[in-house]
Amino acid sequence: DQQVKQNSPSLSVQEGRISILNCDYTNSMFDYFLWYKKYPAEGPTFLISISSIKDKNEDGRFTVFLNKSAKHLSLHIVPSQPGDSAVYFCAASARSSSNTGKLIFGQGTTLQVKP
Amino acid sequence: ETGVTQTPRHLVMGMTNKKSLKCEQHLGHNAMYWYKQSAKKPLELMFVYNFKEQTENNSVPSRFSPECPNSSHLFLHLHTLQPEDSALYLCASSQDLGLGTQYFGPGTRLTVL
Repeated sequence: DQQVKQNSPSLSVQEGRISILNCDYTNSMFDYFLWYKKYPAEGPTFLISISSIKDKNEDGRFTVFLNKSAKHLSLHIVPSQPGDSAVYFCAASARSSSNTGKLIFGQGTTLQVKP
Repeated sequence: ETGVTQTPRHLVMGMTNKKSLKCEQHLGHNAMYWYKQSAKKPLELMFVYNFKEQTENNSVPSRFSPECPNSSHLFLHLHTLQPEDSALYLCASSQDLGLGTQYFGPGTRLTVL
């Protein structure tokens, strides 16, 4: 049973446009969500996070939106740049109910930004 | 050197070999993690250590044996692996357990023949 799902394996956008990456989760105990970016031959790099007490968090070109009722979060990148081409993972944890530090990851979405 | 480092970056081993993966974090963190990423699958948590003590073993077969001598170093000892164990093995660390933001090393690409 996959608790965090990224249903789009890949996404292609034009440089300068908006990239929207989606993630759905099933566990209502999740209260902290993160996005990681991964280039080939490197480990995942932390991008941005959001706590369940918020519905939006912004950091430069990256904004994460959280819709708790729909159990859905999305990452918006605007404007998209060719250097953003990578695999993006969303992850979730239940910080308030568990102190194991366990992150549950989605399968990843490969973003390609075309010049 | 900064961040989380892992050695070796690539490893090819036979099923009867014994090898070890090493992870070192230079971030002053207290918690360290081993993850496995197989092709087309999400990252799977294997082990969690907090202040050198193992706090989670996510039903990992005993042919994988972790060791955490101190908060900065984490090892994964491998013995009699199977070809299906071929994967990318990632180490991560975080300031404390449960804070959520984990920082990853570059991984070791393991191939079991």
